Amino acid sequence: GAGVSQSPRYKVAKRGQDVALRCDPISGHVSLFWYQQALGQGPEFLTYFQNEAQLDKSGLPSDRFFAERPEGSVSTLKIQRTQQEDSAVYLCASTDRSSFYGYTFGSGTRLTVV
Amino acid sequence: AQKVTQAQTEISVVEKEDVTLDCVYETRDTTYYLFWYKQPPSGELVFLIRRNSFDEQNEISGRYSWNFQKSTSSFNFTITASQVVDSAVYFCALSEAERDDKIIFGKGTRLHILP
Repeated sequence: GAGVSQSPRYKVAKRGQDVALRCDPISGHVSLFWYQQALGQGPEFLTYFQNEAQLDKSGLPSDRFFAERPEGSVSTLKIQRTQQEDSAVYLCASTDRSSFYGYTFGSGTRLTVV
Repeated sequence: AQKVTQAQTEISVVEKEDVTLDCVYETRDTTYYLFWYKQPPSGELVFLIRRNSFDEQNEISGRYSWNFQKSTSSFNFTITASQVVDSAVYFCALSEAERDDKIIFGKGTRLHILP
């Protein structure tokens, strides 16, 4: 597609509920990233894929967070047993190293845990 | 360790004034990329510029200009003749190209352009 697509755009979850956030990167982009942006803060790195391989998950805040990209295209970020501190915008970005413009970000999923 | 510091949390200027947003970075690598992104109220991150660590030439794009100084590890961004549409949060970011592709962001500077 023309850009990075994320769904849903908004998600309200009750505390303790599991959620799944989807990212559809630009076709052909090898690298895919997930970021978490809390209100009034900069995006914080969560995890990084190169094709289907998860090369870096150092930013995942706890073992309740899990990401996958099984076929090297669409990625899903799953959060189990959501907590209020998980409320944030979750941004996905994709890139290929040859792109001058670097990373293309999606519009994000705003997660609110109540 | 890599780190990006934007000391200015919030800036307000009157329209048509010039404004400079500061960015200081730390990295252990000799090859890296620096970025500026704009995040308007709608929330999307808009790419403004990418600069390679080997290219210290200043860059100008319309009303925007960037000053990269390796000696002080700074990559400052200036908007001349500011406009209300420039109101947004601006993020400076760093990628250590030899390690992986991930970008580390600063905390951002919220810019208010007052009419």
